[in-house]
Formats: sequence, C-alpha cells, structure tokens
Amino acid sequence: EAAVTQSPRNKVAVTGGKVTLSCNQTNNHNNMYWYRQDTGHGLRLIHYSYGAGSTEKGDIPDGYKASRPSQENFSLILELATPSQTSVYFCASGGWGGDQDTQYFGPGTRLLVL
Amino acid sequence: AQKVTQTQTSISVMEKTTVTMDCVYETQDSSYFLFWYKQTASGEIVFLIRQDSYKKENATVGHYSLNFQKPKSSIGLIITATQIEDSAVYFCAMREGNTGYQNFYFGKGTSLTVIP
Repeated sequence: EAAVTQSPRNKVAVTGGKVTLSCNQTNNHNNMYWYRQDTGHGLRLIHYSYGAGSTEKGDIPDGYKASRPSQENFSLILELATPSQTSVYFCASGGWGGDQDTQYFGPGTRLLVL
Repeated sequence: AQKVTQTQTSISVMEKTTVTMDCVYETQDSSYFLFWYKQTASGEIVFLIRQDSYKKENATVGHYSLNFQKPKSSIGLIITATQIEDSAVYFCAMREGNTGYQNFYFGKGTSLTVIP
C-alpha cells in the first residue's frame, strides 16, 4: 500500500515568517509533487521533483522553494509567508509504469497565514 | 488554457442509482493517460481508476467504470449502485506522453452527493 505522510497537518504562521512543510513517502517513487488546493482553483502544481537532488518549478512557484534531499523526503519552503499562501497543501508521489503510474497523495496540510 | 475540463460542478443522485461524471481533455500527444481521483469530506485524495489512451477497452474497477470516447476527447466516470459513502468530490486528470517525469493536469472537480 502506497504511503505518503505530511507534517505538520495544521500550521498557523505569521506574515513574514518562514514555513517548512515536510513530506515523506515509503513507495520508493522517483517523482514527488507539491500542490495547493483552493476553492475554485482545484489542485495547482507548485513544485515537483523526479529524483533526489532535483526540483522543478510547477505552474505557480512564486513565493515557494522546494528541497528533495533524498528519495523519501520532499519539502516545501515558504521563506516569507503571506496571507495569500493560506491554503491546503498536498504532497504526492508517483511511480513509472504499471500500477504505480499514478499519483498517491498525502493527507494534506492546512496552512493559515495571519 | 484548461487541459482538463469538468463542466459539472455538482451532482445529486439517489442511493443505488447510476451516475456519470463528465470530463473532456485537450492534448496533441498520441499517447496519454487519464485518471480519476476521489476526495472525501476528510480531504483525503484517493486514486480510483486509469485509462491508457492506446487501450480500446474501458477500464473497470469495482463499481467504477470509464466511458472512454477518444474521438470526443472524453473520459466519463460511471459509478453504478451508488452508496452514501460515494459522496465526495471527483477529479479527472491527464498525463501526457512518455516523458521521464510525470506532469498531471487536473480538472476542478465534480461534487457528488448521494441521497439516501
């Protein structure tokens, strides 16, 4: 069974503060993703990675950085959080070919920036 | 431009009936992959079913099946014998081609309410 975990599950941050969202997967998938979900916008891709040490910009990367130090871990970093970054953030991992050729999502992190 | 479009914002159906949710997509690739995901009230997003573009047979998993109409660039999700627990938001998604990484395009979702 695919397993993607995120921490923290809920976070309250102050404007201008630094926020780090963490994601861990035990699927041994090469690909990992960060999305945000907002009402009316669906899932929007922020950053993705196709292996340890790689990060790529998605559709809405401004204000976000990503880090992939290992196969298992993928972090999303908000250096200077703003209220517009209040959202629900999902991490996902994905394999290549066969039954793993899809995305497995973590439970999400609710971020409130005051 | 939106690559994956779900025109139905919300649907309500009676329990034990069949429902179809629509999805259309845009791609120039000859090879692509289509997915449906379910997001429950708790926020959990779960993969349901996949259709590979080169396959003519419609995919089926449990009480989920797909209506793949390639000439219309359409991939409908059919849920038969709906249950209360099928109430959720359903997302359609597409991945293009055979690139070395995945780039998924998601629709904005259809909210399904199953009425007892």
